[in-house]
Amino acid sequence: DGGITQSPKYLFRKEGQNVTLSCEQNLNHDAMYWYRQDPGQGLRLIYYSQIVNDFQKGDIAEGYSVSREKKESFPLTVTSAQKNPTAFYLCASSMVEGREQYFGPGTRLTVT
Amino acid sequence: RKEVEQDPGPFNVPEGATVAFNCTYSNSASQSFFWYRQDCRKEPKLLMSVYSSGNEDGRFTAQLNRASQYISLLIRDSKLSDSATYLCVVSLSGTYKYIFGTGTRLKVLA
Repeated sequence: DGGITQSPKYLFRKEGQNVTLSCEQNLNHDAMYWYRQDPGQGLRLIYYSQIVNDFQKGDIAEGYSVSREKKESFPLTVTSAQKNPTAFYLCASSMVEGREQYFGPGTRLTVT
Repeated sequence: RKEVEQDPGPFNVPEGATVAFNCTYSNSASQSFFWYRQDCRKEPKLLMSVYSSGNEDGRFTAQLNRASQYISLLIRDSKLSDSATYLCVVSLSGTYKYIFGTGTRLKVLA
């Protein structure tokens, strides 16, 4: 089955710790994205990547970092510099710009 | 003004009813349009893309009005399983940017 996987589903961390969220896709999509969703708000773009070894900041990139070493994988690191990291993180992919995006099941991160 | 605006609802409708949602967008460079459904604490799932001529998928019909900058979603014969939040999404021409509305919540009542 083609799709996007994210792990873990739930993640708990203490303040001051970096944490890496996994995102893998086997849809052969070029573009991958990271969003965060907070209650009552629309999805906000953190980073996106159009192609391997290239990525761009989204609207709220501060305190986050990414890498794109393989087409299938786009991990997100939430660093200790992110002021409000507790959120629902969603990874998505699309064939090319402007086409339908498909989402992974998300990771719920709680930082205390 | 938000780039993509939706009525948050909730829309409470009885089973079998027809319900319609609208979504307005402000950026005239908007290129592609989508409706997603999101269940509580789950990821958004693509419901349908919206084409200029309008399109239908079973009980769901989507329309696009570029002149007035809005898209609509019509659900006929509502089922209990249609209860969810419906997200309007717009992509901007020449970019990888997608703008998400905050969603319209639908509750279909038995």
